[in-house]
Amino acid sequence: DQQVKQNSPSLSVQEGRISILNCDYTNSMFDYFLWYKKYPAEGPTFLISISSIKDKNEDGRFTVFLNKSAKHLSLHIVPSQPGDSAVYFCAASAVKSSYKLIFGSGTRLLVRP
Amino acid sequence: DTGVSQDPRHKITKRGQNVTFRCDPISEHNRLYWYRQTLGQGPEFLTYFQNEAQLEKSRLLSDRFSAERPKGSFSTLEIQRTEQGDSAMYLCASSLVAPGGETQYFGPGTRLLVL
Repeated sequence: DQQVKQNSPSLSVQEGRISILNCDYTNSMFDYFLWYKKYPAEGPTFLISISSIKDKNEDGRFTVFLNKSAKHLSLHIVPSQPGDSAVYFCAASAVKSSYKLIFGSGTRLLVRP
Repeated sequence: DTGVSQDPRHKITKRGQNVTFRCDPISEHNRLYWYRQTLGQGPEFLTYFQNEAQLEKSRLLSDRFSAERPKGSFSTLEIQRTEQGDSAMYLCASSLVAPGGETQYFGPGTRLLVL
């Protein structure tokens, strides 16, 4: 049973527009959420995180929104750039599970010039 | 560069052979995690250490897998009698325990191919 789901395997957007990547989770014990970006043959690179006590966190072009009642989070990238093209993973963790990360299956983002 | 490093980056081995991977975490980080990633999936947790103590192992970690972190610094992951199903990317991450949540930083991974 997947506890973290990314239902869109791929997303294509025009350069300069907004990219919205979505993630749903089922375990209400999760209290910390992260987004990672991954290029082929490399390890995941940390992008941004959010604690369950917040509903929004912003860092430059990246904003993460958390809707606890819906068990949903999203990553907004604006404006999107061709260099953002990569696979994006949503991950969740819980202090009671020693913060081990539970990952979604990823969304491949393509930003078209 | 003071990030997480892993060695080797690639390993090709024959079924039945033993392999060992090394991970060097960010120096001030006290937690070290191992994950495995197969094609089309997100990374899956294998095990983690706090300092030198191995505190949790996933059921994915069969008896053929063993991990160590002597002296709480680098870690090794050994796979004995490799099987074709062990082919995957093995990722190491490190973090510093902090209140409110901790961020794990990943190394570049070791890609294992078992023939």
